Amino acid sequence: KAGVTQTPRYLIKTRGQQVTLSCSPISGHRSVSWYQQTPGQGLQFLFEYFSETQRNKGNFPGRFSGRQFSNSRSEMNVSTLELGDSALYLCASSRAGTGEQTQYFGPGTRLLVL
Amino acid sequence: SQQGEEDPQALSIQEGENATMNCSYKTSINNLQWYRQNSGRGLVHLILIRSNEREKHSGRLRVTLDTSKKSSSLLITASRAADTASYFCATGGNKLVFGAGTILRVKS
Repeated sequence: KAGVTQTPRYLIKTRGQQVTLSCSPISGHRSVSWYQQTPGQGLQFLFEYFSETQRNKGNFPGRFSGRQFSNSRSEMNVSTLELGDSALYLCASSRAGTGEQTQYFGPGTRLLVL
Repeated sequence: SQQGEEDPQALSIQEGENATMNCSYKTSINNLQWYRQNSGRGLVHLILIRSNEREKHSGRLRVTLDTSKKSSSLLITASRAADTASYFCATGGNKLVFGAGTILRVKS
């Protein structure tokens, strides 16, 4: 079974631009979560989508948004990029409907904002 | 925000030695998970222990959970150079809250 895939793997953007990252979950997984990892703040939860609906949201500004499609693929968008948005963005999928299930992570997208 | 502290922040051992990492968390949990991350890549799930379990084994890994102390430990026995990585504990189901992680270096 193919794992979680993320595209692109690397991105360089400049301040003020916007960016869209994509995540394809493991086949059959309906929940997709996004995380940001930085040296200063560590791993932080952004949001979770399940059945095309945002089910959980972390403490990030509205510049960070996401969506999920009917095939469970998910995208996250960051508008008006700031230098501090430079990070590794990880998505994870799980089978979960409700309850707590193991999350399987993709390789991440490394975003550099100049 | 970080769930809690992981201890130690960094650990350097020789191949064949055991490595123990500790994690504390703040809220009540249904389960706790441990993940490994190699050189800023994606996270690899290692083991999940439920709140009603006290100990769990998987290969060379042994995880303990003490809910009264809100703490968990991960033991890697007979470590190998390939175990060199960062290790994180996490709680929270599909809204994971991670510890700060322990950087493990296994020298050959």
